[in-house]
Amino acid sequence: EDQVTQSPEALRLQEGESSSLNCSYTVSGLRGLFWYRQDPGKGPEFLFTLYSAGEEKEKERLKATLTKKESFLHITAPKPEDSATYLCAVHGSSNTGKLIFGQGTTLQVKP
Amino acid sequence: DGGITQSPKYLFRKEGQNVTLSCEQNLNHDAMYWYRQDPGQGLRLIYYSQIVNDFQKGDIAEGYSVSREKKESFPLTVTSAQKNPTAFYLCASSPRAMGGRMNYEQYFGPGTRLTVT
Repeated sequence: EDQVTQSPEALRLQEGESSSLNCSYTVSGLRGLFWYRQDPGKGPEFLFTLYSAGEEKEKERLKATLTKKESFLHITAPKPEDSATYLCAVHGSSNTGKLIFGQGTTLQVKP
Repeated sequence: DGGITQSPKYLFRKEGQNVTLSCEQNLNHDAMYWYRQDPGQGLRLIYYSQIVNDFQKGDIAEGYSVSREKKESFPLTVTSAQKNPTAFYLCASSPRAMGGRMNYEQYFGPGTRLTVT
């Protein structure tokens, strides 16, 4: 059964304190790992897609990496506006388009 | 501007009433999805449609119904049979194919918060 586990559930950082969020996955035939950002009361905002181990994507202070078992979302010198819930999702070998989502990591960055 | 719209943002209904949530997209995406989000439970798939006039049940379809008569529209009806309808409902769409390659990225609307009392 395809499964996604994110850790930690919650993370508090001081402004400028870099850290990483983890997304561990079990899926048959990965066809994409996706990162989203969700602000309270809003829909998730697409950030990155990773397709194969070793791939990396960057956007401003965020960098996503992928191995065969997990993905990391590295946040460098975070600012308070980076506070949000970060969701990870995977698509396996089926052609349904169905994504399996993790529970998310809620990040709070204090000034 | 291209995007996904959901209306209304907030919806209040009495128990026993059916209610329909709207989802429209002008991204020319083939596939559309409905999710439910409850605190501490993440996103759960209700229904999805990969093409017009076709849709499939997701993981929690009981008490819900959908239609896909147009590519741009995928309305969700929450029926009186849904035991715990109060939740945040999210609609998403996906291009499915882009540049000759399958693309499963999903793009979400702003959501509708439904409260049933």
